Amino acid sequence: DQQVKQNSPSLSVQEGRISILNCDYTNSMFDYFLWYKKYPAEGPTFLISISSIKDKNEDGRFTVFLNKSAKHLSLHIVPSQPGDSAVYFCAASRQTGANNLFFGTGTRLTVIP
Amino acid sequence: DSGVTQTPKHLITATGQRVTLRCSPRSGDLSVYWYQQSLDQGLQFLIQYYNGEERAKGNILERFSAQQFPDLHSELNLSSLELGDSALYFCASSARSGSGYTFGSGTRLTVV
Repeated sequence: DQQVKQNSPSLSVQEGRISILNCDYTNSMFDYFLWYKKYPAEGPTFLISISSIKDKNEDGRFTVFLNKSAKHLSLHIVPSQPGDSAVYFCAASRQTGANNLFFGTGTRLTVIP
Repeated sequence: DSGVTQTPKHLITATGQRVTLRCSPRSGDLSVYWYQQSLDQGLQFLIQYYNGEERAKGNILERFSAQQFPDLHSELNLSSLELGDSALYFCASSARSGSGYTFGSGTRLTVV
């Protein structure tokens, strides 16, 4: 049962343009959401997070938007750079109780120079 | 270097065998999580330990077991290995249950 879904396995974007990565979740108990970035032969690294009490969180070129009613979040990267090419994982958890992260299947972003 | 150390980096073994994967968490982190990533799959949660005690269990097979030792390092034991167990196994740690994770670089297990 995949509680966190990333329906686009891949995305290609021109350098300088906006990259939008999408994620949907099914468990309404999730209240903390994260994005991780993964390069080949490395473990995932934390990128940005958002709590369910907010609908937007921004960190430099990265912004995460949360739509609780739609159970949807997205990651915007503006402007996209070739170094952003990686696999991006969306993750969700509860902040209390059993709070292990549930991950999506990832979206491979390719930024074309 | 994330501070989470996983050994070995690569492991090739035969079906039916048993292997042990090791994880040393980041200094001061009490929680250790194990994840499996199979080909084209997301990260599947296996098990979490917090300060030596099992805290949560995911889709971990009965052939798999884990433990966290007093020095907080953790081991994941995989037995009666099957071809389908070939995957990347990641360990992550966090300072407390529910805070952000730091991942190790993973162990790539190949069962032949």
